[in-house]
Amino acid sequence: QKEVEQDPGPLSVPEGAIVSLNCTYSNSAFQYFMWYRQYSRKGPELLMYTYSSGNKEDGRFTAQVDKSSKYISLFIRDSQPSDSATYLCAMEAGGGNKLTFGTGTQLKVEL
Amino acid sequence: NAGVTQTPKFRILKIGQSMTLQCTQDMNHNYMYWYRQDPGMGLKLIYYSVGAGITDKGEVPNGYNVSRSTTEDFPLRLELAAPSQTSVYFCASSNPDRGNGYTFGSGTRLTVV
Repeated sequence: QKEVEQDPGPLSVPEGAIVSLNCTYSNSAFQYFMWYRQYSRKGPELLMYTYSSGNKEDGRFTAQVDKSSKYISLFIRDSQPSDSATYLCAMEAGGGNKLTFGTGTQLKVEL
Repeated sequence: NAGVTQTPKFRILKIGQSMTLQCTQDMNHNYMYWYRQDPGMGLKLIYYSVGAGITDKGEVPNGYNVSRSTTEDFPLRLELAAPSQTSVYFCASSNPDRGNGYTFGSGTRLTVV
């Protein structure tokens, strides 16, 4: 079993839809949770960062962490074609900044 | 502010050849990393460094070597290229303040034929 599981998609939604992206994990030591966005042929860029359980909102993006269920989510409201990218979840237990990444979910927002 | 710069962007190698992938960051980050990304496999950590003169193996270090003589530079060396090393390689850096996450370079696409 992989430490971090993420549905690879592809996920196709119409413009304006609410998008839900998810990851599950098995390592209960993970405390820091991140979402990265990666456009085609580019490096990943940090989108959201959350410590422990709870919600964090930034504009159209909301990150949720449920440590009891070992489940994290990223919600995108009013999705735009410019949101079309691969979204990677990442997690860290602490002490060394080494991240464990999910395989990424490919999202396409269509006009 | 350039961030993390990787060179070259593309390279084709023949089996058995060697090469060095260059990575430079100008953010004075102590931590630097090398990842490879294969389709459907996510990012796999090859090597990492927590400061000049200190390196350690990641998840998939075989066939690679690194050095960290300065804070800014973290080159990745492939000694005897194999087809299994065909991949996209990303260098990243970070500082101990976790809220900033990693800053990635734009990647090097390597094909071994």
